[in-house]
Amino acid sequence: DIVMTQSPLSLPVTPGEAASISCRSSQSLLHSNGYNYVDWYLQKPGQSPQLLIYLGSNRASGVPDRFSGSGSGTDFTLKINRVQAEDVGVYYCMQGLHTPRTFGQGTKLEIK
Amino acid sequence: QVQLVQSGAEVKKPGASVKVSCKASGYTFNSHGISWVRQAPGQGLEWMGWISAYNGNTKYAQKVQGRVTMTTDTSTSTAYMELRSLRSDDTAVYYCARDEILWLVSHDGMDVWGQGTTVTVSS
Repeated sequence: DIVMTQSPLSLPVTPGEAASISCRSSQSLLHSNGYNYVDWYLQKPGQSPQLLIYLGSNRASGVPDRFSGSGSGTDFTLKINRVQAEDVGVYYCMQGLHTPRTFGQGTKLEIK
Repeated sequence: QVQLVQSGAEVKKPGASVKVSCKASGYTFNSHGISWVRQAPGQGLEWMGWISAYNGNTKYAQKVQGRVTMTTDTSTSTAYMELRSLRSDDTAVYYCARDEILWLVSHDGMDVWGQGTTVTVSS
């Protein structure tokens, strides 16, 4: 199975500052169609996960433009500008190219 | 609005089976697929498999293959996940999520999630 390694696992952030989460995969996630099959999800406390970013850099519908995804191949980053209190929760990257799909361990973002 | 509503919590004994339902509304059911993802207590997310509501094609994680069956009923816009030979480590919250209609062809993430169904396996 593809291993997705996230860092850091814990991320304390001051409101208004930027935050960045790294996700590294054990194999390339670049499809021959030119897309990187990486998604990012946020699971807020007590809630179901929600989609933030798909195919590496595409924001899902309704997601604020403070959230952005980048990267290619095996290295990916989720950046959150101007972190707000509502952004707390656990962030997961997931690869969708190889079966089974696999998630990273999760990064817990908390407000300082 | 677009939503997925799952069936209620289940308590099962080891060796039993469970069937979780996921009823879709607000969109054309057979224009998408459904993935199932589970989360053990205090743990991360684990993808179990995917089914196309268009043609019934499936993909299963090897970890549960042989014990899981995913189906859809387009007449009621409902997806089902049956897990057999339950073990204590199957105790988890099970989520359904709207997914791509054809594997790797129309990937735009798992964009709508159900509320989750708690399955507890205990003797």
